[in-house]
Amino acid sequence: EADIYQTPRYLVIGTGKKITLECSQTMGHDKMYWYQQDPGMELHLIHYSYGVNSTEKGDLSSESTVSRIRTEHFPLTLESARPSHTSQYLCASSLSGANVLTFGAGSRLTVL
Amino acid sequence: KNQVEQSPQSLIILEGKNCTLQCNYTVSPFSNLRWYKQDTGRGPVSLTIMTFSENTKSNGRYTATLDADTKQSSLHITASQLSDSASYICVVYDRGSTLGRLYFGRGTQLTVWP
Repeated sequence: EADIYQTPRYLVIGTGKKITLECSQTMGHDKMYWYQQDPGMELHLIHYSYGVNSTEKGDLSSESTVSRIRTEHFPLTLESARPSHTSQYLCASSLSGANVLTFGAGSRLTVL
Repeated sequence: KNQVEQSPQSLIILEGKNCTLQCNYTVSPFSNLRWYKQDTGRGPVSLTIMTFSENTKSNGRYTATLDADTKQSSLHITASQLSDSASYICVVYDRGSTLGRLYFGRGTQLTVWP
């Protein structure tokens, strides 16, 4: 079983609300990632981090922000949610020098 | 255009039958290719990894093949089970750039019927 946890698993909120998706891993991985996944589409990288206090935007433009204050924690925040943010968000981690990702179970966000 | 194309998009088979999923890629330079299984409502889980020099690799009832010359990979599932119902995602790693990059296919949705 993967040692990477995402909460909440499911979230339904109204437009304009601020939300934070939590991601924690206990494997000591220094690299962490956030992907967005829509049905029938490939995963798109929206944020990544190579270590504490290191965050970068990914390939897909996103209005979300991330922080990496602790190695094990990589939360994603939406300041003002919109219906276009409705999607599945997957958190992943890996060791430096390795390209094998361990994924969390995902957070499915619905914005009404 | 996506650099990793998977086919078929979806597939329905009866329990006990075999099936083969395809992955064609244009990523270059190529470092390795990995197949992931994603159950509904879960994150992807790695099944197998293929490096440039490997042609075939098995993991239980799953056998992956790679032809680096034609840039094609396949995932063969033998004696399918209901638990094989999932999306199978092909991921190609390009070590050519400074940071390395992963290219994801859209997946093949496999449904196994009893």
